[in-house]
Amino acid sequence: DTGVSQDPRHKITKRGQNVTFRCDPISEHNRLYWYRQTLGQGPEFLTYFQNEAQLEKSRLLSDRFSAERPKGSFSTLEIQRTEQGDSAMYLCASSSPSRQETQYFGPGTRLLVL
Amino acid sequence: LAKTTQPISMDSYEGQEVNITCSHNNIATNDYITWYQQFPSQGPRFIIQGYKTKVTNEVASLFIPADRKSSTLSLPRVSLSDTAVYYCLVGDNDYKLSFGAGTTVTVRA
Repeated sequence: DTGVSQDPRHKITKRGQNVTFRCDPISEHNRLYWYRQTLGQGPEFLTYFQNEAQLEKSRLLSDRFSAERPKGSFSTLEIQRTEQGDSAMYLCASSSPSRQETQYFGPGTRLLVL
Repeated sequence: LAKTTQPISMDSYEGQEVNITCSHNNIATNDYITWYQQFPSQGPRFIIQGYKTKVTNEVASLFIPADRKSSTLSLPRVSLSDTAVYYCLVGDNDYKLSFGAGTTVTVRA
């Protein structure tokens, strides 16, 4: 069990650029979640997958955001035409079929949009 | 999801017991109470979960009174490394965790 990994850990970009983040969940975890966290606040739910199916998207996930989990393993979160308000920590989590109530989080990707 | 209220911050010293109380007056019958811990620049980490009475693991204890409208996370004999933000969550173990602002616990030497 190597834990949830995320790449990159830090990303600085200019307003208007596209960015893509990757999340590798714990192997055999069928659920994968994306959250966003701003300074001083708790994480906010963005979306989640069960295997390769994206089952819910938060209203926070505007049309500029897209997430995929093509083979039910790793996932990517893309932000198009980034805005300064997108600056945040993007967290990925996963959970196993036998213990869905416990989500294991990765270290996050910290995005700064200049 | 039921809303939770917990103190913004708490200070303690090494070796003391820290108790964080979370209020959740509108908790539903199917809801569980879960606590996560988060260190700076890391993702949250599951600590403990309970439904009623008392739950204990190697890290903490969770006390839940009969009416379940509140709960208390107890951290025994804290050390400097327990300095973190602690989140109380209430939900029916659905997929969507709802975090508040949490309680920042600062442990001093």
